[in-house]
Amino acid sequence: DAGVIQSPRHEVTEMGQEVTLRCKPISGHNSLFWYRQTMMRGLELLIYFNNNVPIDDSGMPEDRFSAKMPNASFSTLKIQPSEPRDSAVYFCASSLADRNNSPLHFGNGTRLTVT
Amino acid sequence: DAKTTQPNSMESNEEEPVHLPCNHSTISGTDYIHWYRQLPSQGPEYVIHGLTSNVNNRMASLAIAEDRKSSTLILHRATLRDAAVYYCILRDGNAGNMLTFGGGTRLMVKP
Repeated sequence: DAGVIQSPRHEVTEMGQEVTLRCKPISGHNSLFWYRQTMMRGLELLIYFNNNVPIDDSGMPEDRFSAKMPNASFSTLKIQPSEPRDSAVYFCASSLADRNNSPLHFGNGTRLTVT
Repeated sequence: DAKTTQPNSMESNEEEPVHLPCNHSTISGTDYIHWYRQLPSQGPEYVIHGLTSNVNNRMASLAIAEDRKSSTLILHRATLRDAAVYYCILRDGNAGNMLTFGGGTRLMVKP
């Protein structure tokens, strides 16, 4: 199994530009999570989906952030417009929703730098 | 969410056992104790989890106190590749699969 695949691995953009981060979960997994990691705030859950439906988006910082899961094998996290404070590593993870304590499998992240 | 307390950092010698402590005095009856670790430049990876009994797997052992207010992750023989941040997380067995990460313990392994 290829694991959770995130792209791009690195993204450098200018303030005000739109940024789209992509995630392909492990085949057969039906929960998907987006996390953000910074030195100051550590790992924060932004949003998670069960069966392609957003369940909890209370961690999404503001309206500039949006996430979609159009099908079971693809999700996007979009920031529009981006700001320097959005610079962070963004992780996607997947798991089996209907199995108690199914572990989360994380991708290797997208390092976003907004200048 | 019930909180966990871990030391910020620990040091170990290569090929010696490592005991990583975690306090969770407000744990509830439905909380499972999960451990993840994050190697440099990688996403977190699952290590082990348990409810009441001690657990062993190929990566580590988890020792849970009888009152469940603390637990210890045991690496039986540390290698340089075990240098990582280790996170102890309580997960409510009735509340879905989401995880809330704290600060973790940064483990340094000396050759």
